[in-house]
Amino acid sequence: QTVVTQEPSLTVSPGGTVTLTCGFNTGIVTHSHYPNWFQQKPGQPPRALIYSSSNRHSSTPVRFSGALLGGKAALTLSDVQPEDEAEYYCLLYYGGGYVFGAGTKVTVL
Amino acid sequence: QLRLQESGPGLVKPSETLSLTCTVSGDSITSSTFYWGWTRQSPANGLEWIGSFYYRGSTYYNPSLESRLTISVDASKNQFSLKLTSLTATDTAVYFCARGERVAAVDDWGQGTLVTVSS
Repeated sequence: QTVVTQEPSLTVSPGGTVTLTCGFNTGIVTHSHYPNWFQQKPGQPPRALIYSSSNRHSSTPVRFSGALLGGKAALTLSDVQPEDEAEYYCLLYYGGGYVFGAGTKVTVL
Repeated sequence: QLRLQESGPGLVKPSETLSLTCTVSGDSITSSTFYWGWTRQSPANGLEWIGSFYYRGSTYYNPSLESRLTISVDASKNQFSLKLTSLTATDTAVYFCARGERVAAVDDWGQGTLVTVSS
């Protein structure tokens, strides 16, 4: 069974940079999987950040950037702010539908 | 300003059918160029894409739910609905409706409604 993989947790210092990845346990991620990235804080719905690998939504701060790196989708948070502490999810098109990863908990410390 | 509001029963019995409605304000499902859809979230299974549709086009279902799932539209009320049959405890989740510019329909989300499947 194909699973979408994400790091369970990452810690970053304020002002620092952190990269989250999103992959398949059975193969590589390409633009044809239309990677999306979301931020979710407790008690809130997910907030869309990135679509189609690297495109920011109109409300997404420029410190969030998406790319394909080493066969995975990647989300880089630069100049991290305390309010960036949240769960981050990726979404990939696969097998005739869309599949979310299990999420990465980003702690700003 | 777009608003998406989910509504439906908070508690449903196993083997029964879940019916949820998403009421849209601030946009028109019938004249919009957007896709509309459903996603759910549970502690056990995380986020799970359920399905989506384009009013003048196709409907797309998660293959793992397709045999139990129907997404439909009530244009007169600017609402769309989800019907999920043969419920089990694994269907317990917060159900979100959403709108998007692409088929996944995951750009703008409602606040979600909790559905518990239990006898």
